[in-house]
Amino acid sequence: GAVVSQHPSWVICKSGTSVKIECRSLDFQATTMFWYRQFPKQSLMLMATSNEGSKATYEQGVEKDKFLINHASLTLSTLTVTSAHPEDSSFYICSAPKGSSGGETQYFGPGTRLLVL
Amino acid sequence: GENVEQHPSTLSVQEGDSAVIKCTYSDSASNYFPWYKQELGKRPQLIIDIRSNVGEKKDQRIAVTLNKTAKHFSLHITETQPEDSAVYFCAASTEGSQGNLIFGKGTKLSVKP
Repeated sequence: GAVVSQHPSWVICKSGTSVKIECRSLDFQATTMFWYRQFPKQSLMLMATSNEGSKATYEQGVEKDKFLINHASLTLSTLTVTSAHPEDSSFYICSAPKGSSGGETQYFGPGTRLLVL
Repeated sequence: GENVEQHPSTLSVQEGDSAVIKCTYSDSASNYFPWYKQELGKRPQLIIDIRSNVGEKKDQRIAVTLNKTAKHFSLHITETQPEDSAVYFCAASTEGSQGNLIFGKGTKLSVKP
């Protein structure tokens, strides 16, 4: 299987600060990556689709000015939580699809646990 | 947009019994249906997936069935073991395995020894 990494694995920050989370596909190129958020004991909710070379596509209800996404290269997407507040505390997980539409699947990163104090 | 419903939310079985988790989806254009197992604090792990041109798929103790007409798909785990205990999520995509996934709310499976 393919490998997707995330950094950092966990972060604690003060309210009002910004936090950057990196998602990397280590052994394949990904023109598209997805960002999900998972609150405790809940499901994964799609936040946005990160597209290499173009703007990200955000799901309804997700503030694009608060959750900045940059797909800098074919192996790296970053999510920046700007002016973080306690309600942004969550588990953020990225995924990257590998292969053609006829095969392979998506590979998830290990997640980043964010705690905003 | 797509909506995925998953039942039950919790499921407790005895070791060796079978477990069945069911999901329904709303968008008839959905064509890819993966199932993920997630242990506490870890990433979702794909356990099996099925595409819309197939009605059933099996991998050892795990099987998935798809009824496109009724827009529902199910996960079947036979001969359950304590290590099967986890939260299981179904998901659907309209763009195959390359598209974004809409997840069900999850089922917490407990297998009692």
